[in-house]
This record gives sequence, structure tokens and C-alpha cells, in this order.
Amino acid sequence: ELKVEQNPLFLSMQEGKNYTIYCNYSTTSDRLYWYRQDPGKSLESLFVLLSNGAVKQEGRLMASLDTKARLSTLHITAAVHDLSATYFCAVDIGNTGNQFYFGTGTSLTVIP
Amino acid sequence: EAQVTQNPRYLITVTGKKLTVTCSQNMNHEYMSWYRQDPGLGLRQIYYSMNVEVTDKGDVPEGYKVSRKEKRNFPLILESPSPNQTSLYFCASSLLGRTGELFFGEGSRLTVL
Repeated sequence: ELKVEQNPLFLSMQEGKNYTIYCNYSTTSDRLYWYRQDPGKSLESLFVLLSNGAVKQEGRLMASLDTKARLSTLHITAAVHDLSATYFCAVDIGNTGNQFYFGTGTSLTVIP
Repeated sequence: EAQVTQNPRYLITVTGKKLTVTCSQNMNHEYMSWYRQDPGLGLRQIYYSMNVEVTDKGDVPEGYKVSRKEKRNFPLILESPSPNQTSLYFCASSLLGRTGELFFGEGSRLTVL
């Protein structure tokens, strides 16, 4: 059974601090996506990682992919309140694409 | 503006009363899918479609039907809704292939009494 596990599930951190969210998956894939969901809202795409060693950065967020370890990380640098949201990783395991499996999400709260 | 549009956004219905949630995208995407989101379970795929007239089951298809008669539309049909189908539903679309990030609709919150 395919598993996509995120850690931690809940994260409360102070503004200005750094932290990392982990996404482990149990099958071979070189395509991983990160999404953000604000309370009561839809999901928006943050990062698309399409190869081993891929690293993408946007503002205070940086995502990376290690396909050998089946691990992706989402690193938060100097957190600000606006980053409070739920973050999902999703793995695409299809040989030709479009077979997405989502993690259960990490609910991040940044405290002033 | 590129978007995925779902309707209705909110619906309260009763057990057994058939309903349809519509989904339309204007990005000419081949791939469309439906997910349900429940607390602690993340997003689970209900059905997906790779193209017109091509649909397939996801992980939790029981109690749902879909159709894909046009490329832009992918309605979700609950023939006889039950309370365990109370959930937040998302439609999503993407390009077909290995680089297709998903674009999500705004969500439809369904309550079945």
C-alpha cells in the first residue's frame, strides 16, 4: 500500500524561527508537488519538483527532493504570520504522470 | 483568467436525494479529477479522467459517478447521498503528462442529513 507521510502533522512556531516539514513516500517517484491551503480555501501550487536533487525556493520557503531516500523537505526560514496554513505534499507515481497521492497535511501556525 | 469553477460551493441535502456538483475548467487541460477532503485523512481521490469519455476510479469511488462528455466539464454525481458523504469536495485539473501540477477549484462543502 502506497503511503505518503508528512511530519509533523501540527506545527506551532514563533515568528523568526526556522523549521522543516518532511514528506516521506513509500514507492519510487521523481515527481513531487507541494501545495498550500489557507483555512476554508482551496489548494494552491507552491513547488513542482521533477528530479532527484531538485531544489526550489520562493521567499521564505524552500523545497527539495531526494528520490533515493524517497523524501522531500519544505524548509521555512524566519517564519512570519502570513505563512500560517496547511501544507500538503503530493507524489505522482504514474509512469506517464497524473497518478497523485497526497500526504495528510501539516497545519502550520506562526505565533507573533 | 485561468480557473477551475465548482458549483455549488455549499449544499445541504437529505439522504437519498440525487445531486450533481459541476466542475468546469478553462485551461484546456486533458486531466481532471475529484477529491474529497476529510479531517485527518488529507485528500483522497474519487474519480479521474484522462480525456473525453475516459474515466477511472480513484481510491474512494463508492457512491459516486462521473462523466466526461466535454473536455472542460467533469461533473460529480451522487445518486443516493448518505451522511458518510458529508465532506469538502475539490475538483482539479492539469495537463496530461509527467509535469502536470494540479489546479484546484474553490471547493464544495456538502452536508448530507
